[in-house]
Amino acid sequence: GAVVSQHPSRVICKSGTSVKIECRSLDFQATTMFWYRQFPKQSLMLMATSNEGSKATYEQGVEKDKFLINHASLTLSTLTVTSAHPEDSSFYICSASDASIYNEQFFGPGTRLTVL
Amino acid sequence: GEDVEQSFFLSVREGDSSVINCTYTDSSSTYLYWYKQEPGAGLQLLTYIFSNMDMKQDQRLTVLLNKKDKHLSLRIADTQTGDSAIYFCAESMSGGYQKVTFGTGTKLQVIP
Repeated sequence: GAVVSQHPSRVICKSGTSVKIECRSLDFQATTMFWYRQFPKQSLMLMATSNEGSKATYEQGVEKDKFLINHASLTLSTLTVTSAHPEDSSFYICSASDASIYNEQFFGPGTRLTVL
Repeated sequence: GEDVEQSFFLSVREGDSSVINCTYTDSSSTYLYWYKQEPGAGLQLLTYIFSNMDMKQDQRLTVLLNKKDKHLSLRIADTQTGDSAIYFCAESMSGGYQKVTFGTGTKLQVIP
C-alpha cells in the first residue's frame, strides 16, 4: 500500500517560536494532501486541503497566517505553526492521495507538538 | 454540516465479537470508512464500503450499512487483545480528493 511519512514524530518548542512539520508520500505522487489536528481523546479535525502548486484551502476557524501550508511538490507538503502557543499543542496528522488511483487517503503516523 | 457520531467506549472479552456503531447525517456520503488508531499512532484504514453496498466482509471484519437510517457498523469476530484501540468511522463524498469527516471515535477495550 501507499506510504506516507511525517517528520518529526515529536517536537517540543518554546512559546513564540515557529515549528515546521513535513509530510511526504514515499511511493506515489500525491496530488492532494490534507492536514488534520487531533486533541487528546478527540476526533480528527480537518485544518486544510492542499493541491500541488496551489494555495491551500483552509477550514472555517483555522487561521491561515498561523498555520502556513506549502505543497510545492507532488511528494512533499509542509505545515508551519508560526508563533506557537501552548494551545497549539496537539497531534498533527497529514494524509495524501492521488484521486486518479485511489479511493482513500493515506495517513501519516502523526506529529506530537508540545509548546511550553 | 456533516455530523458523525459514535458511542465512546466498548468493552468485550477476548474471543467474543465486537460491534461498533456509527451514525452519520450527510446523505450524499459515497464512501464510508473504518479506521483504527493505536495510542500515539496514526490511522490505519481497516476497510471501506461504497454507499450502494449493504455489506462487506473482510476476514474477521464485517461492515453493515443501512443507508436509509444512515447507520454503519463494524463487527470484529473473535476479538483479540491486539484489537484494543480507538476506532473511527468516517465518511467522504468522493474518497481521495475531498475531505474525510471523522466520527467521534469508539475506544475498544478487550479483556483477556
